[in-house]
Amino acid sequence: GEQVEQLPSILRVQEGSSASINCTYENSASNYFPWYKQEPGENPKLIIDIRSNMERKQTQGLIVLLDKKAKRFSLHITDTQPGDSAMYFCAASRSSGSWQLIFGSGTQLTVMP
Amino acid sequence: EAAVTQSPRNKVTVTGGNVTLSCRQTNSHNYMYWYRQDTGHGLRLIHYSYGAGNLQIGDVPDGYKATRTTQEDFFLLLELASPSQTSLYFCASSDSAETLYFGSGTRLTVL
Repeated sequence: GEQVEQLPSILRVQEGSSASINCTYENSASNYFPWYKQEPGENPKLIIDIRSNMERKQTQGLIVLLDKKAKRFSLHITDTQPGDSAMYFCAASRSSGSWQLIFGSGTQLTVMP
Repeated sequence: EAAVTQSPRNKVTVTGGNVTLSCRQTNSHNYMYWYRQDTGHGLRLIHYSYGAGNLQIGDVPDGYKATRTTQEDFFLLLELASPSQTSLYFCASSDSAETLYFGSGTRLTVL
């Protein structure tokens, strides 16, 4: 079945630096790409998303880039803080208009003081 | 924020046991989902529903049944639990194809 590949699986960065997570998807008909953050012991929560009619979206220190030709999208966290330490999941809609998401395998981000 | 409540929070059963996980959402969302979360696999869709009485098969449905009894309630059933079903289970709801609101999760251990 369709897959979303997410890398890296583990990411450690120094406080104040940037962190980047990359995902690739298979179905060119996918048109919705959300990112979820899961803090320890908590449930995943949506932090930012992007649709296929955009190439870049930014909110509160988060930047998402989408390259439809390469079927690749990425999350960039600027000026990382200890509170950014969490598991991050990317996802892609299964197809245009689909209400199913395919999730990546997750990235465990640790921000070191 | 949308409220999705799962029960129980933790469950231990034995191989061959019968388990029911419950999920209730109080936001009149049409769509409800059951996912399992395992290290290295992310969140994988087991079953989903777009309304009372509707059931759709997800990506990893083997060994699971589900039932959507009302708009609010979605149940996941493991009739013959196996150790491979030891996992963290999340229920989620949404009112469209987009934002998923997850419950707090149920940690299931099958001995």
